[in-house]
Amino acid sequence: GAVVSQHPSWVICKSGTSVKIECRSLDFQATTMFWYRQFPKQSLMLMATSNEGSKATYEQGVEKDKFLINHASLTLSTLTVTSAHPEDSSFYICSASTGAKGGYTFGSGTRLTVV
Amino acid sequence: GENVEQHPSTLSVQEGDSAVIKCTYSDSASNYFPWYKQELGKRPQLIIDIRSNVGEKKDQRIAVTLNKTAKHFSLHITETQPEDSAVYFCAASYSGGGADGLTFGKGTHLIIQP
Repeated sequence: GAVVSQHPSWVICKSGTSVKIECRSLDFQATTMFWYRQFPKQSLMLMATSNEGSKATYEQGVEKDKFLINHASLTLSTLTVTSAHPEDSSFYICSASTGAKGGYTFGSGTRLTVV
Repeated sequence: GENVEQHPSTLSVQEGDSAVIKCTYSDSASNYFPWYKQELGKRPQLIIDIRSNVGEKKDQRIAVTLNKTAKHFSLHITETQPEDSAVYFCAASYSGGGADGLTFGKGTHLIIQP
């Protein structure tokens, strides 16, 4: 089945630094990648949608200059949290689709803690 | 945009009994309705999904029903077991794996009492 690998699984960083999270589709080409954020005991909230080779589309309220998304190839998308602050601490999960009605494949998630 | 409401937020049932979780959505253009099970710190796992051209779908102990007119869909779990304890999320999207992402409900914490 379709597999999405997400790294790192957890990261602790100092306030003001940047953190990069990678998602790779291992056995299929991900036309579209979605990035979600999940605060403790809350639901998943869509942050942005990225298509290979084009700029990401951000949901209302998500700062595009703070959450940089790059989808340079059909198998790799990255999310960079810039100038991280404690309120950015969350569980970040990517999800890929092939662009057809094939459903969504989720990465394993990244637990970000900003201290 | 789409808005998905999910109830109840917590559901406690005796082992062996049935559990029902309900969701409503706001946008009649939504066509894909998956249900996910999520354990603490893990990725959501798809347990069943339904598309708008189908009213009901069943997979062993799990079933989902969809009422497009009323814009609501429900998850039914029969003969519950301790391993069913988890947080369950309903979601909706327009295309189901195409160009749009998922809008999730707030989740239901299902507790199976032994």
